[in-house]
Amino acid sequence: NAGVTQTPKFRVLKTGQSMTLLCAQDMNHEYMYWYRQDPGMGLRLIHYSVGEGTTAKGEVPDGYNVSRLKKQNFLLGLESAAPSQTSVYFCASRTSGGFNEQYFGPGTRLTVT
Amino acid sequence: AQSVSQHNHHVILSEAASLELGCNYSYGGTVNLFWYVQYPGQHLQLLLKYFSGDPLVKGIKGFEAEFIKSKFSFNLRKPSVQWSDTAEYFCAVSPNSGYSTLTFGKGTMLLVSP
Repeated sequence: NAGVTQTPKFRVLKTGQSMTLLCAQDMNHEYMYWYRQDPGMGLRLIHYSVGEGTTAKGEVPDGYNVSRLKKQNFLLGLESAAPSQTSVYFCASRTSGGFNEQYFGPGTRLTVT
Repeated sequence: AQSVSQHNHHVILSEAASLELGCNYSYGGTVNLFWYVQYPGQHLQLLLKYFSGDPLVKGIKGFEAEFIKSKFSFNLRKPSVQWSDTAEYFCAVSPNSGYSTLTFGKGTMLLVSP
């Protein structure tokens, strides 16, 4: 069991460039989440999905899009990167039952110059 | 919407000192409560969780937390810290309902000096 994996681990973008972050989980979890972590801000929810083909906005969705075409994958897209999107991005997943115990991936460190 | 407040942003302790990290939340209904730890350069790992029952919960590595409903608190404790406990600690809360999301506190950075 690899758990939750994220690709890539590091990325540097120029302002205006686009990219997609991939999250994959092999635990057959229904729910998946994307967070960003910034110093002194904790983790803030960007978007989440409660099942294949469904997505919903979190606390800080602006500038990001997501897609959940397959149950095991959750993609986070930046269409036109901005320096304010420099952050560490974490993906998480959990079962639909239970009590919201989430399992986290190793993170992607993104720098936008 | 729920919110979480962690009392200290930075804590510095010597090895063998006792630890207590404060966490308060605001939400009017039943909640699930979590403490996560993030060691330097690593992802978040679950330390412990409270869903129901005994308000004193024990987690990994000797950590425990007490849920005090009347105070909306879920403080993390460890009787004797080690240098390897140096990490950032996050309290999180989730309403006990179907599609609920986790709300995290801003974190407490713990530095344990040997």
